[in-house]
Amino acid sequence: DIVMTQSPDSLAVSLGERATINCKSSQSVLYSSNNKNYLAWYQQKPGQPPKLLIYWASTRESGVPDRFSGSGSGTDFTLTISSLQAEDVAVYYCQQYYSTLFLTFGGGTKVEIK
Amino acid sequence: QITLKESGPTLVKPTQTLTLTCTFSGFSLSTSGVGVGWIRQPPGKALEWLALIYWDDDKRYSPSLKSRLTITKDTSKNQVVLTMTNMDPVDTATYYCAHITFRGWFDPWGQGTLVTVSS
Repeated sequence: DIVMTQSPDSLAVSLGERATINCKSSQSVLYSSNNKNYLAWYQQKPGQPPKLLIYWASTRESGVPDRFSGSGSGTDFTLTISSLQAEDVAVYYCQQYYSTLFLTFGGGTKVEIK
Repeated sequence: QITLKESGPTLVKPTQTLTLTCTFSGFSLSTSGVGVGWIRQPPGKALEWLALIYWDDDKRYSPSLKSRLTITKDTSKNQVVLTMTNMDPVDTATYYCAHITFRGWFDPWGQGTLVTVSS
């Protein structure tokens, strides 16, 4: 199975500042035949189900503010919130879909306001 | 607009079998490339994928829970059913169903249903 490790577990960022979340996979999720990284990011606010933010590691879902961006390739990925807003307080998860026999999520990163 | 809703018991006893139903609208499970997955989340913990079923009845299970899980679909009713046998208190969690395509990400998700395992 592909293990997804997120860091940090939590971070506190001032409003308007940048938040950076890391996700590392135990093996590459880059599919060489199409050069796509099979990685998604989700946002989960308290009491709500997860919401898709980004897929293919860097493609924003429709309606997601452009302050959210995804980057990385192979085994190392980053979700960046360029200017943290109060409504961005949530837990963020990465998920690999390279192995559809065993889909796996990261452990989550909690983002709070400093 | 795609919507999904989970239903089932909120409390089950240890060793019992859990049966959850996902009722959806806005898509058909007879459409090529479409599927429904189940994911759970223990209180305060991370997400864990359980199972998924595709339009062609292809079924996938988490290897660690495969022996306890069964997923089926009723295309005419727009429902997917997940059964989990031999429930234990560690299986206490919010259980979500979600739409998935052959691409592999879950979108959207149902609101989830909290299942507590306790005698």
